[in-house]
Amino acid sequence: EPEVTQTPSHQVTQMGQEVILRCVPISNHLYFYWYRQILGQKVEFLVSFYNNEISEKSEIFDDQFSVERPDGSNFTLKIRSTKLEDSAMYFCASSPDSGEQYFGPGTRLTVT
Amino acid sequence: EDKVVQSPLSLVVHEGDTVTLNCSYEVTNFRSLLWYKQEKKAPTFLFMLTSSGIEKKSGRLSSILDKKELSSILNITATQTGDSAIYLCAGLNYGGSQGNLIFGKGTKLSVKP
Repeated sequence: EPEVTQTPSHQVTQMGQEVILRCVPISNHLYFYWYRQILGQKVEFLVSFYNNEISEKSEIFDDQFSVERPDGSNFTLKIRSTKLEDSAMYFCASSPDSGEQYFGPGTRLTVT
Repeated sequence: EDKVVQSPLSLVVHEGDTVTLNCSYEVTNFRSLLWYKQEKKAPTFLFMLTSSGIEKKSGRLSSILDKKELSSILNITATQTGDSAIYLCAGLNYGGSQGNLIFGKGTKLSVKP
């Protein structure tokens, strides 16, 4: 069964460094999303992406964040200058039709 | 502000019991209600409910949406230890061109042998 994959599974970085989180959505899906979950808190929406453009972004998704679909398979989330409060599990999700969303296993980002 | 509230926050049952998990929502431009199961990491999709009163079933799991009461329930019959997980409810809105999910805090279900 097709799955969303994410790499790396765990990333440790120092405050102020740039990180790129990578996702490979399910191959025939057209709608892509990033969510995050701070330990012990709710899953929160960050950004949605369709047709090579951002569809919507939350207040969390400020100028330090960017997304890109550099080729036909990858979907990346970049954090330009990480802060301690960016430590969280980051989930990528994809959807065939903007209905049900299928989540990847997540990347645990630890900012020290 | 959009919100999704789940109850109870945690539940401990024994194998074979039937459980009902509750979800209420206040979501602007509401489109659908989704249920996910979260074990170690990724939320795994269970159901998407768009129409009121139509039950969706998958094995021992079933769910129904009540759009008048802005709520949904997830039932699990004959629970097994493998059902132990956090069950997440999320409202899907019509935001932007594709919508996004607003999640509740989840119900942590523990099934004892």
